[in-house]
Amino acid sequence: DIQLTQSPSTLAASVGDRVTITCRASEDVLNWLAWYQQKPGAAPKLLIYRASILHTGVPSRFSASGSGTEFTLTIHSLQPDDLATYYCQHYDDYSGTFGQGTNVESK
Amino acid sequence: EEQLLQSGAEVKKPGESLKISCKGSRNTFAKYWIGWVRQRPGKGLEWMGIIYPSDSDTRYRPSFQGQVTISADRSSDTAYLQWSSLRASDTATYFCARFEIGSVFVFDVWGQGTKVTVSP
Repeated sequence: DIQLTQSPSTLAASVGDRVTITCRASEDVLNWLAWYQQKPGAAPKLLIYRASILHTGVPSRFSASGSGTEFTLTIHSLQPDDLATYYCQHYDDYSGTFGQGTNVESK
Repeated sequence: EEQLLQSGAEVKKPGESLKISCKGSRNTFAKYWIGWVRQRPGKGLEWMGIIYPSDSDTRYRPSFQGQVTISADRSSDTAYLQWSSLRASDTATYFCARFEIGSVFVFDVWGQGTKVTVSP
């Protein structure tokens, strides 16, 4: 059973900052990793799939990279609308899993 | 734009049964899997399981196997999540989502969530 560990759990940043979130997998997941954004009281939204491909409509200030066991999500210039919790996700062997989440809050 | 519409909030007592629903389009239910995700208050997302409505193939995360039942009805393009005997620990918001299996393995369309409260 693959585990996903995100770091940090909480991140305080200012508008305009570059923000980086890491997701580490307990086993090699190739590039089968996705990222989601969730705001309080709302459903999650897909941001990234196949480790680095932006989903339709996602602003270009978001980027992601990685393969194997280490992945990163970067917000290149944090905007107020980006304050949210971010989750990585993998699906394998008939089941899926999410990371524990990274809360991006205002400094 | 594809949408998934979930049933409304529920307040139940421990030991009661419950079935919540998630309705989508004919296209979604013909071609995609539908999954359920739990989010306990103040906590993260937990993968529960997915179902392929066209043949009812269902895959549960092991920790949810036997605890809930996922089903789907192609005649109404509706998926369901049900409990036979609720516990206080089932208090959570439950999201359904469309799962793309085959090329990207992601939830790309989400329902709005159904809040379930289990309390004496």
